Amino acid sequence: EAGVVQSPRYKIIEKKQPVAFWCNPISGHNTLYWYRQNLGQGPELLIRYENEEAVDDSQLPKDRFSAERLKGVDSTLKIQPAELGDSAVYLCASSLGLEWTQYFGPGTRLLVL
Amino acid sequence: RKEVEQDPGPFNVPEGATVAFNCTYSNSASQSFFWYRQDCRKEPKLLMSVYSSGNEDGRFTAQLNRASQYISLLIRDSKLSDSATYLCVVKAGSTGNQFYFGTGTSLTVIP
Repeated sequence: EAGVVQSPRYKIIEKKQPVAFWCNPISGHNTLYWYRQNLGQGPELLIRYENEEAVDDSQLPKDRFSAERLKGVDSTLKIQPAELGDSAVYLCASSLGLEWTQYFGPGTRLLVL
Repeated sequence: RKEVEQDPGPFNVPEGATVAFNCTYSNSASQSFFWYRQDCRKEPKLLMSVYSSGNEDGRFTAQLNRASQYISLLIRDSKLSDSATYLCVVKAGSTGNQFYFGTGTSLTVIP
């Protein structure tokens, strides 16, 4: 069975540029998470979806970050404009539901110059 | 105060040693607890859930102490392949549905 797929794996951009990350969760997983992991830190939740509904986006910096999960499957996370402090690994995870194990994708490593 | 706190280490232990990590959490209403393993430049993977009665999986034992609000992970007979960062995860928050990760504890097993 395929795992969580993320693309791109790496992205280098200049500050103030936009960037988008894509996630394809494990088939059948209704719950999708976006996390940000800074170097030497644990992942921090940005947003959680139950199907196509964003049920927890309290940690998402809404002035520059946006996310969507159309049709309750794939999801995109966008940053516009990017800042130097946005450099991190952006991890997508999915699970059958909130009570089930989260499976993480390989992440997108973002470097903002 | 952080929701979850861990000693970042690093822990450097010889093969065959026993090593233990602790993790404290701040929300007494926390419901679920987990240990994840993260290899260098890889994604986190679930190592084991932590149950109130404690649980064991081979060389790994997890314990929960609700009174003192900490969980522990014990690794016996360490292998080189155990070298990784171990992340403590707590499900808590105002709705009880938020996952909080610790900063992770780095373990290196030395030949």
